[in-house]
Amino acid sequence: AQSVTQLGSHVSVSEGALVLLRCNYSSSVPPYLFWYVQYPNQGLQLLLKYTSAATLVKGINGFEAEFKKSETSFHLTKPSAHMSDAAEYFCAVTGEAAGNKLTFGGGTRVLVKP
Amino acid sequence: EPEVTQTPSHQVTQMGQEVILRCVPISNHLYFYWYRQILGQKVEFLVSFYNNEISEKSEIFDDQFSVERPDGSNFTLKIRSTKLEDSAMYFCASSALAGGPQETQYFGPGTRLLVL
Repeated sequence: AQSVTQLGSHVSVSEGALVLLRCNYSSSVPPYLFWYVQYPNQGLQLLLKYTSAATLVKGINGFEAEFKKSETSFHLTKPSAHMSDAAEYFCAVTGEAAGNKLTFGGGTRVLVKP
Repeated sequence: EPEVTQTPSHQVTQMGQEVILRCVPISNHLYFYWYRQILGQKVEFLVSFYNNEISEKSEIFDDQFSVERPDGSNFTLKIRSTKLEDSAMYFCASSALAGGPQETQYFGPGTRLLVL
C-alpha cells in the first residue's frame, strides 16, 4: 500500500520569498513521485516527477524537488514566489506494484502576499 | 498543446438518477483514468482503462459505476443510480504509453457533480 502526507493544507508566503511544500510518502516498492498544480477552474498540471534517475528534479515555473529516500520525502521548493504561484499543489506517488494508479496527498493551497 | 477535456463542467442530479460524465483524452494516448475528489478530501483513484477493458479499479468503483470508450475519442464514466455521497469533482486523465507507472498522467479540468 502507498500513502502520501502533505504537511500544511494552507501555506502563505510573501512575493519573492522561498516556497517550501512538504511531502512525505510511504511505499513498499521503489516509488515514482509527482507534483501537480491546480489553478482555479483548471485540471491538475504536472510540475515535475521523480522516476529513479536524478534525485534533484527540476520542473516548470522554477520549481524543483529533491527525493530523499532516507527521509521518505519529496519536498517542493521555489526560491522566489510569484503572484502567479497561487494555486493548490498535490503530491502523488505510484510504483511498479501499484499499477498506474496515483495515490495523492491532501493538497496544499498556496497564498502569495504582495 | 493537446489537453484532456471534460463535459459538462457542472452537473446537478437527483438521487437515484443516472449520470454520464464525458471525457476526451489526448488523441494518441492509450491509458485512461477516472479519479474523484470529494470536497475537503483527497483525490482518489477510481479506475484505469487500457485496450478497451478495465485494467484496475478501486474499492469505490462498485457495480454502480461503469466506463466505456464508445468511439475513438470519448471516454465515459456512468453512475447508474447516484447517491448523495457521489457528490464530488470527477477528473479524467490519460497517459501516452503503456510504459508503466512513470508515465505522466494528463488531467482534465474536472466535472463537479452534485447529487441532491
